[in-house]
Amino acid sequence: NAGVMQNPRHLVRRRGQEARLRCSPMKGHSHVYWYRQLPEEGLKFMVYLQKENIIDESGMPKERFSAEFPKEGPSILRIQQVVRGDSAAYFCASSSGGLSYEQYFGPGTRLTVT
Amino acid sequence: SQKIEQNSEALNIQEGKTATLTCNYTNYSPAYLQWYRQDPGRGPVFLLLIRENEKEKRKERLKVTFDTTLKQSLFHITASQPADSATYLCALASISSGSARQLTFGSGTQLTVLP
Repeated sequence: NAGVMQNPRHLVRRRGQEARLRCSPMKGHSHVYWYRQLPEEGLKFMVYLQKENIIDESGMPKERFSAEFPKEGPSILRIQQVVRGDSAAYFCASSSGGLSYEQYFGPGTRLTVT
Repeated sequence: SQKIEQNSEALNIQEGKTATLTCNYTNYSPAYLQWYRQDPGRGPVFLLLIRENEKEKRKERLKVTFDTTLKQSLFHITASQPADSATYLCALASISSGSARQLTFGSGTQLTVLP
């Protein structure tokens, strides 16, 4: 059974470019979450999605960040016009929903903005 | 404001002893609490989940307690091994977060088990 998959594992972008981070949830999971871990800081919730719906985006920065989880394909976290402060590890997690609340995390994408 | 605190950033113990990690929270009404393990450069790995109406949960050498009166969870690893060395994260989900699926993480405790 494949776990949560994220790609790319490492991404380098220059200031002003766009970053696209992909996440494929575990088989059978329909809930996806994105978290950010800044250097020397803890994990911070960004957004919670189900297929074609954003359920909770209370942790998303108001500008430049967007997320989607289309009917087909992986979930995408998109960061437009990246700045140095966006450099972080971005983790995706998935869960099966219903009465199951445990979240299973992917290996993360390490974004470096130069 | 809401706060989650995990005891000491680093904890060193001798192999074979029981490691006890603490997670305290304030201004939360947690629906459940989870513990994760994170190794350097990797994503967190789910270990245990305990609900607000449960006092204790066990899984192999792991035990979690949850005291909503004290607003505290204790995480125990018995018969610790060097392979248990990692950062352990406590995470809360509260009803007030709306979806009850948004996890708020503590900053973690780095455990080192010395051979």
